[in-house]
Amino acid sequence: DAGVIQSPRHEVTEMGQEVTLRCKPISGHDYLFWYRQTMMRGLELLIYFNNNVPIDDSGMPEDRFSAKMPNASFSTLKIQPSEPRDSAVYFCASSLGGITEAFFGQGTRLTVV
Amino acid sequence: SQQGEEDPQALSIQEGENATMNCSYKTSINNLQWYRQNSGRGLVHLILIRSNEREKHSGRLRVTLDTSKKSSSLLITASRAADTASYFCATDPNSGNTPLVFGKGTRLSVIA
Repeated sequence: DAGVIQSPRHEVTEMGQEVTLRCKPISGHDYLFWYRQTMMRGLELLIYFNNNVPIDDSGMPEDRFSAKMPNASFSTLKIQPSEPRDSAVYFCASSLGGITEAFFGQGTRLTVV
Repeated sequence: SQQGEEDPQALSIQEGENATMNCSYKTSINNLQWYRQNSGRGLVHLILIRSNEREKHSGRLRVTLDTSKKSSSLLITASRAADTASYFCATDPNSGNTPLVFGKGTRLSVIA
């Protein structure tokens, strides 16, 4: 397996634009997590899914953020409209079981100017 | 709020020395995990220690867990320049199937 695949690796966008981040989890994993990493706040859990169903989205900072998982092999995190304070590295991770070893993608570095 | 807090925030050592990083957490846990993150990369799982274990080894890594003190330590022996990275502890609060909560990490620099 190629591991968790995220795209794009880097995204630069203007404030107000819509941004969509993509994630392909490891085949067979039943949990998918979206994290955001900044120097100030560290690694924050935004939302996680179990068997494609969102379980907890309390970490999503605002209504501008939304996430979907239409099937077991694909998830998106959308920010609309984007703001400069959304600049961060966004990680997707998957696991077999929610509290076992998590496998992380390489991340998407988002810069909103 | 974050469950795990690593200490120190940054550590710089010479190659060949041992590096010790600590993690404290607040609530009871099922297990505690350590991850490494190289610059510009995703986190990579290193080791998992269960709440009923006190010590675990994996190669040059040694992890201890003291549930009475709610703390864990990661020891890297005979460090190498390639060990330069940030190290994170992650805990799963013992309340249902709550996912991992990460600390802010310890940035380790190993100088050749």
